[in-house]
Amino acid sequence: DTGVSQNPRHKITKRGQNVTFRCDPISEHNRLYWYRQTLGQGPEFLTYFQNEAQLEKSRLLSDRFSAERPKGSFSTLEIQRTEQGDSAMYLCASSLPLPYGYTFGSGTRLTVV
Amino acid sequence: AQTVTQSQPEMSVQEAETVTLSCTYDTSESDYYLFWYKQPPSRQMILVIRQEAYKQQNATENRFSVNFQKAAKSFSLKISDSQLGDAAMYFCALLPSQGGSEKLVFGKGTKLTVNP
Repeated sequence: DTGVSQNPRHKITKRGQNVTFRCDPISEHNRLYWYRQTLGQGPEFLTYFQNEAQLEKSRLLSDRFSAERPKGSFSTLEIQRTEQGDSAMYLCASSLPLPYGYTFGSGTRLTVV
Repeated sequence: AQTVTQSQPEMSVQEAETVTLSCTYDTSESDYYLFWYKQPPSRQMILVIRQEAYKQQNATENRFSVNFQKAAKSFSLKISDSQLGDAAMYFCALLPSQGGSEKLVFGKGTKLTVNP
């Protein structure tokens, strides 16, 4: 296993378009997390899966955001009708049950123009 | 609610010297974990060190050690013999171990510069 993989690495989109990001976690990790990081800030929690179940969603995750993790493997994060304020780095992480920390992917940098 | 505060937006250190990054946190949980993560420029975030709140002994990982003061809710990171490769953003993070939520709460980070 080579770690957490995120695709694409960079995405530039026009305002109003839909975008989808993919995250492939470490295979034996049943926890998967999405975070958003804006410039100069720490990552902010978006949502969390345990296997295929989405157990927690942040209030940051508006109706335009949806995440899935079919069959408890990879996950997708979709943003509909993108806005300039959605421009950020979207980080995916996976983990084993506590007390282990997360393993992060390299992130997808979204730029909305 | 859990909060993490890193009061030093930027720090600098001379190569081979020691530097300490500060972190304070607030939580009503009695059991939790604390982490320091390193994020080099344009690279992924990696775990530096982890501390379980129920352990009194401070965690150590090679040149990295923490000073965990539970009563003061303080969790500082000491980097000894600083190397150029230590230059990065450092994030302190809190993870409650009870209550069902497994989300990490991060501070805003400290940018560490290592001068040759």
